Amino acid sequence: ETGVTQSPTHLIKTRGQQVTLRCSSQSGHNTVSWYQQALGQGPQFIFQYYREEENGRGNFPPRFSGLQFPNYSSELNVNALELDDSALYLCASSLASTMNTEAFFGQGTRLTVV
Amino acid sequence: DAKTTQPPSMDCAEGRAANLPCNHSTISGNEYVYWYRQIHSQGPQYIIHGLKNNETNEMASLIITEDRKSSTLILPHATLRDTAVYYCIVRVMDSNYQLIWGAGTKLIIKP
Repeated sequence: ETGVTQSPTHLIKTRGQQVTLRCSSQSGHNTVSWYQQALGQGPQFIFQYYREEENGRGNFPPRFSGLQFPNYSSELNVNALELDDSALYLCASSLASTMNTEAFFGQGTRLTVV
Repeated sequence: DAKTTQPPSMDCAEGRAANLPCNHSTISGNEYVYWYRQIHSQGPQYIIHGLKNNETNEMASLIITEDRKSSTLILPHATLRDTAVYYCIVRVMDSNYQLIWGAGTKLIIKP
């Protein structure tokens, strides 16, 4: 148990639709990162939020967007879904956006785009 | 691109020490090495991290070579529940502080 919860656990969407995934970070953690993990691969960094501001982004198009709320929970929004967006989406929380801290992951949301 | 290289798979007998190697020859002086594991599509589980000194916690030990170009994760007494994909990760020193993941090592513990 990491204290990081994600919802929903599984989701099926149709190509072209929009989806919102949610993450509640561990108590006291002010940094949330989102990762996409395709089957059989390691996670790929999407972006990170620190105190409600995006402070880093990986190589993902603008249709991937996010929010962080005052209670440090977070949302990942994906517009115009494509088949290749099918993946496990992981949220990780950490105490601060610094080098020497561990990030704790939720169990992920399995998104299937058909 | 991942900054680490790991063998794709390894076997270990239950009760023995599992030693998982990782090469990170391009690591910068103040970049940390992290280890996570992932059991069958669950969320990754943090194991341990270090900069240049060896580290030990209740789960594992991390041995980093003096030149920091490689490291070894040691699970001292492997159990069947340690079967997982183990990721060695360098935490990049930029404003993202993102974790850059490779393909990991599939560790299978055999009875």
